[in-house]
Amino acid sequence: NAGVTQTPKFQVLKTGQSMTLQCAQDMNHEYMSWYRQDPGMGLRLIHYSVGAGITDQGEVPNGYNVSRSTTEDFPLRLLSAAPSQTSVYFCASSYGAGAKNIQYFGAGTRLSVL
Amino acid sequence: KNEVEQSPQNLTAQEGEFITINCSYSVGISALHWLQQHPGGGIVSLFMLSSGKKKHGRLIATINIQEKHSSLHITASHPRDSAVYICAAEGGSQGNLIFGKGTKLSVKP
Repeated sequence: NAGVTQTPKFQVLKTGQSMTLQCAQDMNHEYMSWYRQDPGMGLRLIHYSVGAGITDQGEVPNGYNVSRSTTEDFPLRLLSAAPSQTSVYFCASSYGAGAKNIQYFGAGTRLSVL
Repeated sequence: KNEVEQSPQNLTAQEGEFITINCSYSVGISALHWLQQHPGGGIVSLFMLSSGKKKHGRLIATINIQEKHSSLHITASHPRDSAVYICAAEGGSQGNLIFGKGTKLSVKP
């Protein structure tokens, strides 16, 4: 199994550009989430989904959009990139809340916005 | 005040030493997670526990629900244990996690 696959691994954008970070999992997990990791801070939740067709905002959702049309895929869209969005982004998945909530993480996407 | 606090922030140990990393939380939780972030950036789950103690190899995780405190212990530490260790509190019906800032561990040979 591939687990959680994130692409791209690295990306440089100019301010105002848009892009989509891809996340796919092959474990039939219901729960998927996007985090950003910044120096000196813990991982912060951007958006999450508890199943296909259902998404919700996390702690820091502004400037990001998500959709969940299939169980496998959970893309994160930056609508108009800003330097404050320079960060490392992680996608994660799990079976869901409770006893099956072991999190599986993608390898991360390092994004720089100039 | 952060909802999940870890200590210490940085820890340097000699190979073979017993290591303890602490995590305190102020929110009600359904489970406490310990994760390891490798120097290359990848994150893996080590433990998920809601009571008592769990052991996997040289790693032991404990939790005291009444005191809202968890510890991660590493016995006979090795340079390959060098990583950032992160605790995260799981709360709410959706299972979202609140993360601590991490403890950077360096084990010297």
